[in-house]
Amino acid sequence: EVHLLESGGDLVQPGGSLRLSCAASGFTFRNFAMSWVRQAPGKGLEWVANIGDPGRNIYYADFVEGRFTVSRDNSQNTLYLQMNSLRTEDTAMYYCAKRSTSYCIGGTCYSAYFDLWGRGTLVTVSS
Amino acid sequence: AIQLTQSPSSLSASVGDRVTITCRASQAIGSALAWYQQKPGKPPNLLIYVASILQAGVPSRFSGSGSGTDFTLTISSLQPEDFGTYYCQHFNNYPFTFGPGTTVDIK
Repeated sequence: EVHLLESGGDLVQPGGSLRLSCAASGFTFRNFAMSWVRQAPGKGLEWVANIGDPGRNIYYADFVEGRFTVSRDNSQNTLYLQMNSLRTEDTAMYYCAKRSTSYCIGGTCYSAYFDLWGRGTLVTVSS
Repeated sequence: AIQLTQSPSSLSASVGDRVTITCRASQAIGSALAWYQQKPGKPPNLLIYVASILQAGVPSRFSGSGSGTDFTLTISSLQPEDFGTYYCQHFNNYPFTFGPGTTVDIK
């Protein structure tokens, strides 16, 4: 069965750091791009970062502002998000999400939608 | 960044009703749009991708249409299990963005 399991969320003070992990199973992890998506309590979904396979195509949302680093270890089937200089507004459930295989139509191929999500790990930034 | 708006922000409908949710992009995105359903305390679930392709395992009462800037998610006959919040997401370029969501509850 395909599965994503996030961990590493915690209560941290403003300015602190956390490293989130996402363990993948049931599919060939190295073949797929992955993203982090977050959701503040009671709010909508917000894309955070993307990393391609095998570690190229790294992109971040504007609000990251150089504070977060996404990485992956294909030998361990694990995705990471290193978060530094955390702010209260970073408080959210953080989901890892697997991007799909390519769907091609009319000469255009699409793959940047998310067909598998983990259950999330909660990051709380508060003093 | 491309902005997505959704309407309505919430709706209440009866079982069997036809429900339509609209997503509008701030610039043309072709067919690079997906729809997700999220239930409280759960992660999102992919319903529709590339604007109109039904994800495997999703009931056929869900359908998507549109291209360019205007997109629609339709539930042909609302079922009790269809409550939740529905989000559109564009993947035309980085940064990806999600719409603000439409909350559906059952009368």
